[in-house]
Amino acid sequence: DGGITQSPKYLFRKEGQNVTLSCEQNLNHDAMYWYRQDPGQGLRLIYYSQIVNDFQKGDIAEGYSVSREKKESFPLTVTSAQKNPTAFYLCASTMTRAANQPQHFGDGTRLSIL
Amino acid sequence: GENVEQHPSTLSVQEGDSAVIKCTYSDSASNYFPWYKQELGKGPQLIIDIRSNVGEKKDQRIAVTLNKTAKHFSLHITETQPEDSAVYFCAATLSGSARQLTFGSGTQLTVLP
Repeated sequence: DGGITQSPKYLFRKEGQNVTLSCEQNLNHDAMYWYRQDPGQGLRLIYYSQIVNDFQKGDIAEGYSVSREKKESFPLTVTSAQKNPTAFYLCASTMTRAANQPQHFGDGTRLSIL
Repeated sequence: GENVEQHPSTLSVQEGDSAVIKCTYSDSASNYFPWYKQELGKGPQLIIDIRSNVGEKKDQRIAVTLNKTAKHFSLHITETQPEDSAVYFCAATLSGSARQLTFGSGTQLTVLP
């Protein structure tokens, strides 16, 4: 089945540590996105990538970094500079670069602080 | 800045009744308005979407209406069932974030048996 796979499902970070969240898609979609979801809030855009080797900051990029070396992969690193990383992280993709089309989501990674 | 306001934040209905969730947006140039359903511990799933050149769209028990003049759009669920219980998010393409999707804050819908 085609879809988006996020791993791990749960992740714990120690203070001062960088952690990387994985997102893989086999939909052959051009664009990929990372969102952060906090309780009772909507999704906020962290980074997005419309093409391999290119990515753009979203509304809350500080403390995060990404790479897009392959079309199917868009990992997110939560750095130690992100002081409040506890949240549910969602990865999504769209068939083309245009934003006005359905986004397909993975089932998320829940990140907590130890 | 540009945003999407969603109301109510929680909604409880009796099974078989209708549910309506409303969103307002600030950017008159917005042209795409999807609705997503999110179950606990899962990612959101698209349930219906509408574009700015259409006023209403229906898919079985779900419908979305768009009022471009008033800059609001609504999700209507008829004959609600317990499996409709979830969090629903609206979204719109706004001029902020290079016209990427901006999401509302979500509505927790509970359908009481």
